[in-house]
Amino acid sequence: QSALTQPASVSGSPGQSITISCTGTNSDVGGYKYVSWYQQHPGEAPKLIIYEVSNRPSGVSNRFSGSKSGNTATLTISGLQAEDEADYYCCSYRTSNQYVFGTGTTVTVL
Amino acid sequence: QVQLVQSGAEVKKPGASVKVSCKASGYSFTSYYIHWVRQAPGQGLDWMGIINPSAGSANYAQMFQGRLTMTMDTSTSTVYMELNSLRSEDTAVYYCARESVGAGWFDPWGQGTLVTVSS
Repeated sequence: QSALTQPASVSGSPGQSITISCTGTNSDVGGYKYVSWYQQHPGEAPKLIIYEVSNRPSGVSNRFSGSKSGNTATLTISGLQAEDEADYYCCSYRTSNQYVFGTGTTVTVL
Repeated sequence: QVQLVQSGAEVKKPGASVKVSCKASGYSFTSYYIHWVRQAPGQGLDWMGIINPSAGSANYAQMFQGRLTMTMDTSTSTVYMELNSLRSEDTAVYYCARESVGAGWFDPWGQGTLVTVSS
């Protein structure tokens, strides 16, 4: 099963905003509201930061926001901070009770 | 608090099987699905499958069909993931993660279990 497409890396200076795209098809990202985003620091388990395209779990900074247009979902990190340096993965429900992750994006804070 | 605690690291030879456990606590075990996700060294996340502890039914990603079995023990609130015919490419950290029924997102995750396949 082919993964969702994300840029391999994105970088920004502290305080800047960055966006990470996640492109799929109308059988996954474009067809359902079940797009979520995960942050993973080295050696740690992934952590949920966005669910159902644009909702933030309790305790997640409001600097993280999500959106979707067509077959592409987007994660935006505003006011970039050093602690945001991590890997980020999107995930979508796919037809027939399957799920698929994105290829992953490494965020570097310059 | 809600917690998923996984079994310890394993080293297996090619062709062998591995069974990893994921013990849930802090919530009603049969009210949530459990997913398994793996991550090869330096690579991304791969969704493996889902088990419904209430029904005992499971659904697997196509790439694991025939090699993967998910089971559960409701008396101990534990889910198991067994992968057969191991090859070197199966070397990875295996995670379990909880999904609220129909929610479409995974939270929390277990701490991960490293499975190394080497002759």
